[in-house]
Amino acid sequence: GEDVEQSLFLSVREGDSSVINCTYTDSSSTYLYWYKQEPGAGLQLLTYIFSNMDMKQDQRLTVLLNKKDKHLSLRIADTQTGDSAIYFCAFSPGGYQKVTFGTGTKLQVIP
Amino acid sequence: GAVVSQHPSWVICKSGTSVKIECRSLDFQATTMFWYRQFPKQSLMLMATSNEGSKATYEQGVEKDKFLINHASLTLSTLTVTSAHPEDSSFYICSATDPTGGELFFGSGTQLSVL
Repeated sequence: GEDVEQSLFLSVREGDSSVINCTYTDSSSTYLYWYKQEPGAGLQLLTYIFSNMDMKQDQRLTVLLNKKDKHLSLRIADTQTGDSAIYFCAFSPGGYQKVTFGTGTKLQVIP
Repeated sequence: GAVVSQHPSWVICKSGTSVKIECRSLDFQATTMFWYRQFPKQSLMLMATSNEGSKATYEQGVEKDKFLINHASLTLSTLTVTSAHPEDSSFYICSATDPTGGELFFGSGTQLSVL
């Protein structure tokens, strides 16, 4: 099965860039997701990347995939206080297959 | 975009009672839905895979008689926590895959508190 690790906590100042990292072990995942979870709420899909891609940019979000190192990252440009939340990376073989989640990184944005 | 609706958002119940949680896909038909459980400050753990028209597939360690799953239509899956006890208190989240684009969408979650 897939083992997925994330650092537990990240603190950045408002306006700076945030980089949340994720390492994984299984190379068979096709879909690689980033989800945001605010307190007491469900998961919000932020973005996802296919395993045949190296990078995807969507407004302030940039996803980088290093397949050689099995490393996935999410960069948030111009981080705002509203970005404070827990961010989960997640992996799936695709289709209707179950998803494996990382441990989550709590992002704290300091005004 | 595709939306998954989960209801209720929170529920408080007495020990020994049963609680039903609904998960609906609003914009697409979902032959497969997933149910997760999340303890405070932890990641999500898959409980079971809900298959429309057939029995759910439970993960190891999840009691199928306690967590009843029914996926009677292509847009609705329900999770019933039977004879709930305080240790069942948790955050339950459902998800479904949009067959068009393959994205996985989540419900807003249900916070269950068993007294």
